Amino acid sequence: AQSVTQPDIHITVSEGASLELRCNYSYGATPYLFWYVQSPGQGLQLLLKYFSGDTLVQGIKGFEAEFKRSQSSFNLRKPSVHWSDAAEYFCAVGAGGSQGNLIFGKGTKLSVKP
Amino acid sequence: GAVVSQHPSWVICKSGTSVKIECRSLDFQATTMFWYRQFPKQSLMLMATSNEGSKATYEQGVEKDKFLINHASLTLSTLTVTSAHPEDSSFYICSARGPTGTFAYEQYFGPGTRLTVT
Repeated sequence: AQSVTQPDIHITVSEGASLELRCNYSYGATPYLFWYVQSPGQGLQLLLKYFSGDTLVQGIKGFEAEFKRSQSSFNLRKPSVHWSDAAEYFCAVGAGGSQGNLIFGKGTKLSVKP
Repeated sequence: GAVVSQHPSWVICKSGTSVKIECRSLDFQATTMFWYRQFPKQSLMLMATSNEGSKATYEQGVEKDKFLINHASLTLSTLTVTSAHPEDSSFYICSARGPTGTFAYEQYFGPGTRLTVT
């Protein structure tokens, strides 16, 4: 069965420092992968997605992610974190089938120190 | 484009009453909408998938008689929590599958509805 693991529950980084959020997936075929961000009490905003092609994908707000099939990973990166990046980040994989369901990881909360 | 709204954003109801949450795709037609539930500091759990004009498909463990889903038009899906109890208190988020021509896994999320049952 498909699954998504985000090993880090909470990460704290200093403003201006680089960031990497980890995501590992389990899926039999080529996965469709997503990163979403959620601010407190809000819905989800899509940061970026991978369907096929170039394994390094660029997203909004200066985020990027790299798909590594050999490691079953899709880690999210940002070279310089801003205080406004503090939020909850969810990795998701397409669950297959015709409905387009997504399976979400448990999320990583990002805190930013001034 | 591809904006999804939810109403209300926050609702308090008494135990035993029912509450309806609306999910609308504002600028596109959504043949498929999804309803998620999110407990504090936890991930999103898919409750059901609704397709316009047909019965919703519920995930295992979700009571279909308690969580009534109606997707009567291409822009509106509703979730009714019947005979609500305090354990139903949660954050409910809907999403809509993208417009025709976009990838099947493109989902656009609403801002969520906070339900508190007293």
